[in-house]
Amino acid sequence: AQSVTQLGSHVSVSEGALVLLRCNYSSSVPPYLFWYVQYPNQGLQLLLKYTTGATLVKGINGFEAEFKKSETSFHLTKPSAHMSDAAEYFCAVSNGGGAQKLVFGQGTRLTINP
Amino acid sequence: DSGVTQTPKHLITATGQRVTLRCSPRSGDLSVYWYQQSLDQGLQFLIQYYNGEERAKGNILERFSAQQFPDLHSELNLSSLELGDSALYFCASSPQVGAGEQYFGPGTRLTVT
Repeated sequence: AQSVTQLGSHVSVSEGALVLLRCNYSSSVPPYLFWYVQYPNQGLQLLLKYTTGATLVKGINGFEAEFKKSETSFHLTKPSAHMSDAAEYFCAVSNGGGAQKLVFGQGTRLTINP
Repeated sequence: DSGVTQTPKHLITATGQRVTLRCSPRSGDLSVYWYQQSLDQGLQFLIQYYNGEERAKGNILERFSAQQFPDLHSELNLSSLELGDSALYFCASSPQVGAGEQYFGPGTRLTVT
């Protein structure tokens, strides 16, 4: 069975500081990994995805994530936080391409301090 | 805008009642997924349909059922509602070919009183 653990339910950073949101996964097959963002009272928006190939993936809004198989991690980073980045972030894993269900972590609420 | 639509946006009903949530997937997407988001359980996969057929089942209660129609829209039926069913219900769709990314609708917030 697959699972996702997001370390830290709340992360607070200052505007302009580095954002680091941690995600570790468990999967018996090569995983496909995703980060989604949820703004208040909205649905989930895809930030980025890892399938195969390059382990550093770039997404929207300046975010990127690195797949580290040896550490079973897929941490999300952004060099400089903006106030507009305040939201809830979810890491998710699936069994692979095609139509597969997503298994989500519990989410990390990111707060940006002015 | 993801291209996935859900109605209604909000629903308030009483315990014991039955409700139907509706979802229209993105144009061309054959797969529809339903997820429940609650404070204590987080985001949980409920059920998936592909081109009208049930494809996968997750943590869906027997009081809940879903279907996908020939025009590919889907409905999630929740019956004998309990206070604990209060949650956000999301629909998502995905293309069959691709990395498996799913596109989420805005959700239906269900409040059971």
